[in-house]
Amino acid sequence: QAVLTQPSSLSASPGASASLTCTLRSGINVGTYRIYWYQQKPGSPPQYLLRYKSDSDNQQGSGVPSRFSGSKDASANAGILLISGLQSEDEADYYCMIWHSSAWVFGGGTKLTVL
Amino acid sequence: QLQLQESGPGLVKPSETLSLTCTVSGGSISSSSYYWGWIRQSPGKGLEWIGTIYYSGSTYYNPSLKSRVTTSVDTSKNQFSLKLSSVTVADTAVYYCARHDRCSGGGCAFYGMDVWGQGTTVTVSS
Repeated sequence: QAVLTQPSSLSASPGASASLTCTLRSGINVGTYRIYWYQQKPGSPPQYLLRYKSDSDNQQGSGVPSRFSGSKDASANAGILLISGLQSEDEADYYCMIWHSSAWVFGGGTKLTVL
Repeated sequence: QLQLQESGPGLVKPSETLSLTCTVSGGSISSSSYYWGWIRQSPGKGLEWIGTIYYSGSTYYNPSLKSRVTTSVDTSKNQFSLKLSSVTVADTAVYYCARHDRCSGGGCAFYGMDVWGQGTTVTVSS
């Protein structure tokens, strides 16, 4: 089982909100990890969006709009990237990442379609 | 504004060593506030962290690649480099260099990558 699991795709409408999940493998407690989120558009490198561990331990990437926010769902053992007020430019691949077992580990990514 | 640019051969033969350099502009690689890392992306394996180096030479490597990876820093040129030995077709990927934040918010730690280069495609083929 992968360390981080992300849905392969998600669709949402312009103006709506999208909640992207990053589920940690059973036995790995989301509460102890900083979850990082990246956005990648075709032909471009990943862009850092934010990191979230708790409401007191988090960071927004430079220039990243506040409509991108992070949280956790402890009951689902998952990190969440919430994008509010979806815009067409938000259509991209989104990756989560954590530091686990002495390595930076990425999720497989979610392709977000805004239509 | 900090920029990172990868450079190196786009084609490497199987069993040979892949060598890439990342040139940092708009900031000093000798800053105590950052680490410098390598990540690759292939269709088959997604994003994979390779390794990270501090300007002093301290290194962190992905355990799955550690036996084949060497990184180095040249502070005089504001560059850091990657060598991956004994490559196979599975090492074909887009290779990115990136900066890791080290000190922000409440303190210093090994934080994730916050600035990435544009990436360079490396194909392993005979």
